[in-house]
Amino acid sequence: ILNVEQSPQSLHVQEGDSTNFTCSFPSSNFYALHWYRWETAKSPEALFVMTLNGDEKKKGRISATLNTKEGYSYLYIKGSQPEDSATYLCAFMSRYNNNDMRFGAGTRLTVKP
Amino acid sequence: EPEVTQTPSHQVTQMGQEVILRCVPISNHLYFYWYRQILGQKVEFLVSFYNNEISEKSEIFDDQFSVERPDGSNFTLKIRSTKLEDSAMYFCASSEQGVIGETQYFGPGTRLLVL
Repeated sequence: ILNVEQSPQSLHVQEGDSTNFTCSFPSSNFYALHWYRWETAKSPEALFVMTLNGDEKKKGRISATLNTKEGYSYLYIKGSQPEDSATYLCAFMSRYNNNDMRFGAGTRLTVKP
Repeated sequence: EPEVTQTPSHQVTQMGQEVILRCVPISNHLYFYWYRQILGQKVEFLVSFYNNEISEKSEIFDDQFSVERPDGSNFTLKIRSTKLEDSAMYFCASSEQGVIGETQYFGPGTRLLVL
């Protein structure tokens, strides 16, 4: 069973705080891990695709790391802004079902001004 | 920036009716996908489609579901006889070549409510 877990489920931070959340996935048969940012009533927006153990990706104030051996990825947001408020989804692709993305339940981030 | 579009944004239907959800993928993309999210649950993969054929499908994608690319631009998901449990947000996505590490671009979704 390909179970992808995200924690925490929700997070409230103040503007300017830095924050991070976790995506856990099966460590065997890893193929790729995707991070998406999803604002209500909009399309999920692709942030990162990570494929190699030790990968680190950065896009502005958002960065992500990947550990495929232990089966986790962290997403970091530095200096959170109210516009960062969204649900952050990770999705795992395994070697056996490589077009089938298994999503976590998401971390809902609220940044208060 | 090119984007995936979906119509309608909302659809209400009676149980047992057929529905067709429509998607226009990004124009140079070759792989297309449908996902759904039942309220309060995770986003789930339904099916992937390439070269006018289903590439992969999940256990959810049973005989009630079908996909089609009726012309050069549209990609449709048909549910033959809707059930209450089909109520969900349905997302279409597309990717350029379907290769490892490639981003899937999502549409805004169609919210389907079956009464």
